[in-house]
Amino acid sequence: DTAVSQTPKYLVTQMGNDKSIKCEQNLGHDTMYWYKQDSKKFLKIMFSYNNKELIINETVPNRFSPKSPDKAHLNLHINSLELGDSAVYFCASSLNEKLFFGSGTQLSVL
Amino acid sequence: SQQGEEDPQALSIQEGENATMNCSYKTSINNLQWYRQNSGRGLVHLILIRSNEREKHSGRLRVTLDTSKKSSSLLITASRAADTASYFCATESKTSYDKVIFGPGTSLSVIP
Repeated sequence: DTAVSQTPKYLVTQMGNDKSIKCEQNLGHDTMYWYKQDSKKFLKIMFSYNNKELIINETVPNRFSPKSPDKAHLNLHINSLELGDSAVYFCASSLNEKLFFGSGTQLSVL
Repeated sequence: SQQGEEDPQALSIQEGENATMNCSYKTSINNLQWYRQNSGRGLVHLILIRSNEREKHSGRLRVTLDTSKKSSSLLITASRAADTASYFCATESKTSYDKVIFGPGTSLSVIP
């Protein structure tokens, strides 16, 4: 039933590892996003895809690679994790300018 | 640079009082939205106001937009303990369709 679901909810890993976060939306929306929320709750847009095509890439390090196998899925792969990558990552989809968010993935890099 | 900025950063009020949060932005926008985030959860859309609108209501929420001052306010009337959350404004600029930029948020505490 969940409209935008992302997994895992928590991710604890060592520096240097590679990890992925998955996102799926069942709302039929064409546009999907990844946002990063830091410890001060500041939300920064990372990527946006429209119907599987990348339309926004906000100067994110190329260690971050989004992949959209179809318009219902937008996954985020992160290589060589760094301490500064620790944050909450939110997936979202949009229709008529309104964003619908997943519940977030809290990433802790040790 | 950051598109929207909220003021105040934190607000604490008694239940039943009204809460007002302000948002300022820098560029021309298509619309401005307000979202709520409960602790440990994703953001939830509250209300959208377009650049050609000046005021909008939804239940206990009232949003105003002043494009000449590049500012918006969110008023929550008769606040409840359940309104305790962080509130974010978000803007979509005229030049970057689909790019929704969020302000730093206002943390609202409603004391029962």
